Amino acid sequence: ELKVEQNPLFLSMQEGKNYTIYCNYSTTSDRLYWYRQDPGKSLESLFVLLSNGAVKQEGRLMASLDTKARLSTLHITAAVHDLSATYFCAGITNTDKLIFGTGTRLQVFP
Amino acid sequence: EAQVTQNPRYLITVTGKKLTVTCSQNMNHEYMSWYRQDPGLGLRQIYYSMNVEVTDKGDVPEGYKVSRKEKRNFPLILESPSPNQTSLYFCASSFGTGGNSPLHFGNGTRLTVT
Repeated sequence: ELKVEQNPLFLSMQEGKNYTIYCNYSTTSDRLYWYRQDPGKSLESLFVLLSNGAVKQEGRLMASLDTKARLSTLHITAAVHDLSATYFCAGITNTDKLIFGTGTRLQVFP
Repeated sequence: EAQVTQNPRYLITVTGKKLTVTCSQNMNHEYMSWYRQDPGLGLRQIYYSMNVEVTDKGDVPEGYKVSRKEKRNFPLILESPSPNQTSLYFCASSFGTGGNSPLHFGNGTRLTVT
């Protein structure tokens, strides 16, 4: 059974700093997704990682996937306040069920 | 505008009173799904549907029903709601789970069962 674990659960970081959110999953997942949720809002898709070694970047966020290590990372470069949100990763089972991590709540302060 | 529309946004009800949360998408997506979001538990899948008349259980289906009679609609039915179903519910859709097809989420329905 696929389990997805994120760490850290909470992250408070200063503007301008770099940090990485980790997403470990327990069994094979064909794809790995990253979503963002602002407080009181819905979820917005950030990245879909389709294969081992995949790397995608959008602005200050970069996601990567290592299927052998069963690990995906979301790297934040030079954080700004607008990046404050909760970030979720999600894997997919071989029966097409999406399994989400518990989320990482990121707060960026001046 | 391409979107997933859920109604209502907020709902307060009493134990045992049947309710339906509607979900509609205008993107001709095959795949639709319902999730509940609870603090510390992330999002958990309730039911999903790969196409019309095809539905399957997610991780937490107990106490819920769904139907997919039309491609665009995927209502969530609580026949006899209980307080442990108090949660934030999201409907989502995509072109399918294969390939580069992320989920599009609705705005959520906050349900309180007293």
